[in-house]
Amino acid sequence: KAGVTQTPRYLIKTRGQQVTLSCSPISGHRSVSWYQQTPGQGLQFLFEYFSETQRNKGNFPGRFSGRQFSNSRSEMNVSTLELGDSALYLCASSRDYPGGGEQFFGPGTRLTVL
Amino acid sequence: AQTVTQSQPEMSVQEAETVTLSCTYDTSESDYYLFWYKQPPSRQMILVIRQEAYKQQNATENRFSVNFQKAAKSFSLKISDSQLGDAAMYFCAYRSMQGGSEKLVFGKGTKLTVNP
Repeated sequence: KAGVTQTPRYLIKTRGQQVTLSCSPISGHRSVSWYQQTPGQGLQFLFEYFSETQRNKGNFPGRFSGRQFSNSRSEMNVSTLELGDSALYLCASSRDYPGGGEQFFGPGTRLTVL
Repeated sequence: AQTVTQSQPEMSVQEAETVTLSCTYDTSESDYYLFWYKQPPSRQMILVIRQEAYKQQNATENRFSVNFQKAAKSFSLKISDSQLGDAAMYFCAYRSMQGGSEKLVFGKGTKLTVNP
């Protein structure tokens, strides 16, 4: 069974540009969450999607947005990039059992903003 | 809001020895999940062990076990018979049981070095 995949794995952008990151969850998983990982702030929750609906959102500016498609694949978009947006962006998926399912993480997309 | 604190930025252990990583958390909720995740260098984060707060028995997974002290809001991870492959960043995480969200709140992590 294929794991969570994220594309692209590496990105270099300049300030002011926008970027779109993609996440394909494990087959059968309907919940997708996004996290930003930086050396200073650690792992911070961005947002969570379930059945194409945003279920929860972290404390990030409106430049960060996301969506989920009917096949559960998810994308996140960052507009007007800032230097501080340089980070590893992780996607995680789960089956969303009522009792709490395990989240499986992808390898991440390393974004560098110059 | 819930917070998770890992007070040891770095730890080291000799191969075959035992090491304990500390984690404390703050919450007003009574039901929740706690996790330890492992992130090897340049590799994907994987779940090591999980604990449901309503279970008094400490979780164990092979060489990994936890010491869950609910009243003290403490959740430490013990790694027995440490192996070179255990070297990684270890993150403690909290997940609420309210609201149906899968959101994880992470600590800042502990970098574990295993010396041969």
